[in-house]
Amino acid sequence: KNQVEQSPQSLIILEGKNCTLQCNYTVSPFSNLRWYKQDTGRGPVSLTIMTFSENTKSNGRYTATLDADTKQSSLHITASQLSDSASYICVVSRNNYGQNFVFGPGTRLSVLP
Amino acid sequence: EAQVTQNPRYLITVTGKKLTVTCSQNMNHEYMSWYRQDPGLGLRQIYYSMNVEVTDKGDVPEGYKVSRKEKRNFPLILESPSPNQTSLYFCASKETGAYGGYTFGSGTRLTVV
Repeated sequence: KNQVEQSPQSLIILEGKNCTLQCNYTVSPFSNLRWYKQDTGRGPVSLTIMTFSENTKSNGRYTATLDADTKQSSLHITASQLSDSASYICVVSRNNYGQNFVFGPGTRLSVLP
Repeated sequence: EAQVTQNPRYLITVTGKKLTVTCSQNMNHEYMSWYRQDPGLGLRQIYYSMNVEVTDKGDVPEGYKVSRKEKRNFPLILESPSPNQTSLYFCASKETGAYGGYTFGSGTRLTVV
């Protein structure tokens, strides 16, 4: 079964701290993996996209890693800010045309002052 | 500004009363898609369209219809809404290609009573 699992389900950290979110997938075939940030009540916004051959990709304070052998990805947030409070969604694309996506349930991150 | 526009943002309706949620994009994207998002579940695809007059079922198409008469518009139609269709709906459009960027609308929160 094609699935994307994320952990933890929710996370609370203090402003300025780092955190790492996990994504495990059983999707096959695999085309690429994306991380999205979704603010409450808004549409998801893309953070990173990685192909099979990429191990790491950064976007500002966000760094995503991918291990295609173990089918795991992580999103590391450095020096968190209050504005990082959001849900973070891991998405795996199944084919090269990009229309078949499997979404994870998301990790809800709360950054407190 | 490149965007996907959904209307309305909020809608409360009664069981059985037909409704349409509109979606429009100004990026000339060929691919468009509708998703629903429910607590604890990832975004689930309802329908997608690869181009004008080309639509296909996603993972949860029951109770929904779509049309794609022109490239920019992709309305979602609920012919006879039921309470289990109460959800947060997102329209999205995507650049051509496996790694094309995905742009989501701001969402429509639908409540069926």
